[in-house]
Amino acid sequence: GAGVSQSPSNKVTEKGKDVELRCDPISGHTALYWYRQSLGQGLEFLIYFQGNSAPDKSGLPSDRFSAERTGGSVSTLTIQRTQQEDSAVYLCASSPSVTSTDTQYFGPGTRLTVL
Amino acid sequence: DQQVKQNSPSLSVQEGRISILNCDYTNSMFDYFLWYKKYPAEGPTFLISISSIKDKNEDGRFTVFLNKSAKHLSLHIVPSQPGDSAVYFCAGRFASGANNLFFGTGTRLTVIP
Repeated sequence: GAGVSQSPSNKVTEKGKDVELRCDPISGHTALYWYRQSLGQGLEFLIYFQGNSAPDKSGLPSDRFSAERTGGSVSTLTIQRTQQEDSAVYLCASSPSVTSTDTQYFGPGTRLTVL
Repeated sequence: DQQVKQNSPSLSVQEGRISILNCDYTNSMFDYFLWYKKYPAEGPTFLISISSIKDKNEDGRFTVFLNKSAKHLSLHIVPSQPGDSAVYFCAGRFASGANNLFFGTGTRLTVIP
């Protein structure tokens, strides 16, 4: 079966432009997570969805970041007015539920470079 | 504020020997700990986990040890194989809420043939 997929795999943009990153979770997984990994850092949690709702948005680094999930499946992470510090690998993960013992399965990530 | 720390950015081990990767955490409320393995240009892959009520979990060549009093866990790989060369991330998780993972910064393991 298909794993978590993300697109694009690489994105280069100019400072100030908006970008949209997409995540296709494993079919049937109700929980979806976004993380990012900046250079030399561990993975930093951004936001999660249980179904279509995002109960906790406190991990988003600024109000330029937003995310949505429709139909309990595909999710998009949007960064408005990108800044150079937004450059990172953005990783999406899905799991069957938000139960603590459920494994999170990661996609390959989108490498974002803001010039 | 890094709640999970991996203080060794890299480790080199001879093939066949034991690899020991270490991880420290600061939040005693973590309920579950996990190790993920990451190859270049791929997402992290789940390797092994341990509940906070256990002190050891073994799966084939991989064993995770948890010392709650020291807030320390370690991953042992024995015998190490060249295919084990990757970046290993330690992560902690709470029992409630988002159940998102709190990751360390990773340790790059190189197994020398």
